[in-house]
Amino acid sequence: KAGVTQTPRYLIKTRGQQVTLSCSPISGHRSVSWYQQTPGQGLQFLFEYFSETQRNKGNFPGRFSGRQFSNSRSEMNVSTLELGDSALYLCASSLAQQDHYEQYFGPGTRLTVT
Amino acid sequence: AQSVTQLDSQVPVFEEAPVELRCNYSSSVSVYLFWYVQYPNQGLQLLLKYLSGSTLVKGINGFEAEFNKSQTSFHLRKPSVHISDTAEYFCPRRRSQGGKLIFGQGTELSVKP
Repeated sequence: KAGVTQTPRYLIKTRGQQVTLSCSPISGHRSVSWYQQTPGQGLQFLFEYFSETQRNKGNFPGRFSGRQFSNSRSEMNVSTLELGDSALYLCASSLAQQDHYEQYFGPGTRLTVT
Repeated sequence: AQSVTQLDSQVPVFEEAPVELRCNYSSSVSVYLFWYVQYPNQGLQLLLKYLSGSTLVKGINGFEAEFNKSQTSFHLRKPSVHISDTAEYFCPRRRSQGGKLIFGQGTELSVKP
């Protein structure tokens, strides 16, 4: 079974631009979560989607948004990029949203904002 | 606040030596605990998880962890490490409601020949 895939793997954007990242979960998984990883803040939760509904949201500004499609694929969007948005963005999928189901992570999208 | 503390930011160790990576958490309710490994330029891979039952959990690649409720710890151990174990290790916990993983700062394990 294929793992979690994220596209693109690398991105370079300029301040003020917007960006869309994509995540395809493991087949059959219905829950998708997004995390931001930076050297200073570590791994921080962005949001979680289950059955096309946002179930949980972290403490990020409204510039960060996401959605999930009927096939469970998910996208996250960051508008008006800032230098501090440079990070590795990780997507994780889970069979369901119950807590005992482990999350499987993709390889991440490394975003660099210049 | 619910949090996770990884007590060592870096752990250098020689090949074939034993290693313990320490993780404490704060919670007064039931928790689900995990250990993940992240190799350079990759995502996170699950090593093991504790949901309930036996407090000693065995994972992949020869790792194991022991849940200690009284000390609120979930330390990861391996009796003999390899160069290939060099990576960053995370021990997130999952809230009983909400679903998100709460991470500590990670421990960088460096195995030297």
